[in-house]
Amino acid sequence: KNQVEQSPQSLIILEGKNCTLQCNYTVSPFSNLRWYKQDTGRGPVSLTIMTFSENTKSNGRYTATLDADTKQSSLHITASQLSDSASYICVVKIQAGNMLTFGGGTRLMVKP
Amino acid sequence: NAGVTQTPKFQVLKTGQSMTLQCAQDMNHEYMSWYRQDPGMGLRLIHYSVGAGITDQGEVPNGYNVSRSTTEDFPLRLLSAAPSQTSVYFCASSYSGIGDGYTFGSGTRLTVV
Repeated sequence: KNQVEQSPQSLIILEGKNCTLQCNYTVSPFSNLRWYKQDTGRGPVSLTIMTFSENTKSNGRYTATLDADTKQSSLHITASQLSDSASYICVVKIQAGNMLTFGGGTRLMVKP
Repeated sequence: NAGVTQTPKFQVLKTGQSMTLQCAQDMNHEYMSWYRQDPGMGLRLIHYSVGAGITDQGEVPNGYNVSRSTTEDFPLRLLSAAPSQTSVYFCASSYSGIGDGYTFGSGTRLTVV
């Protein structure tokens, strides 16, 4: 069964600190992996997309990594800001068809 | 630059009532989808459309109907609301395919009592 597991479920950090969110998946055959940011009361917004051959991709203070061998991805947030408070969702797409598998998300709270 | 617009933002229904959740996009995207988001769970696909006049079922289609008469609009109908349909519903659209480069709406929070 295709599954995406994210950890931790929730995280509280102080403003200015770094943090890393984890995503493990069993989806096969793999096509790509996206990280989304979802602000409270809003729809998800894509941060990064990674294909099988990509190990690292950055978007400003967000850096995603992918290890396709171990089926793990991480999202590293550098120098966190209050506006980073949101849920972060890992989504994996299979090679054929229209199916995405969404993780349950990590809820991040950045405190001043 | 509206993107994907969903209405209403909030709705309370009684068990057995029917209603339509509206979704409209102004980006000329062919691909549109409906998802539901439940606490602690990932988004699950209800129905999707690859173009006007073409719809198909997703992972959790029971209790929902869709139609796609125009490129812009993709309404989701609840036929007879049940408490299990209490959820947040998201509409998404894409120019390149289902699941690719989605633009999501802001969601409709539905409570069935």
